[in-house]
Amino acid sequence: AQSVTQLDSQVPVFEEAPVELRCNYSSSVSVYLFWYVQYPNQGLQLLLKYLSGSTLVKGINGFEAEFNKSQTSFHLRKPSVHISDTAEYFCAVIPSPNFGNEKLTFGTGTRLTIIP
Amino acid sequence: EAGVAQSPRYKIIEKRQSVAFWCNPISGHATLYWYQQILGQGPKLLIQFQNNGVVDDSQLPKDRFSAERLKGVDSTLKIQPAKLEDSAVYLCASSFVGEAGDTQYFGPGTRLTVL
Repeated sequence: AQSVTQLDSQVPVFEEAPVELRCNYSSSVSVYLFWYVQYPNQGLQLLLKYLSGSTLVKGINGFEAEFNKSQTSFHLRKPSVHISDTAEYFCAVIPSPNFGNEKLTFGTGTRLTIIP
Repeated sequence: EAGVAQSPRYKIIEKRQSVAFWCNPISGHATLYWYQQILGQGPKLLIQFQNNGVVDDSQLPKDRFSAERLKGVDSTLKIQPAKLEDSAVYLCASSFVGEAGDTQYFGPGTRLTVL
């Protein structure tokens, strides 16, 4: 089975400052990794995903994440945040194909609050 | 392109009552998912359909929850009877094929409050 740990439940950041949201995962098999964002009263929207290839993945809204296999991490970063980035961010993992039950497992989320 | 539609957006019921949620996925998407998101937690998969067949319902409390996807398009999730711990947001998602790397597209969810 897979698990995802998002250690920071809340992250306050000043507007235009950089931010890093941490995600660590546990799995005995190869995995695909995702970051989703959830704005208030809305469903989840994909920010970016890592399937293979370059470990640095660029997503929408200026976000990027780096897959680190040795540290089993997939941290999300943005060099300069905006008020509109205020939302809940979820890291998720799924076994890559041929490793059995392909079910997306989410972390508990990190609430990013941008301070004007 | 229209997104995933869900209704109702909000529902308040008393315990032991029944409730049903409806989902219309993105046109052409073969795979449909129902998730339960309890406050302060990430979404948890309840059931996954591939067309109108069930792929995974291992985390669905089958004594009270049921779901169907007739004709491989719309889906309904039912709870009967509801318990206090069923208070949550119920999210519907769809993906084109349902492979591991597919992007899942989520609807706005139905917020259920059980009193």
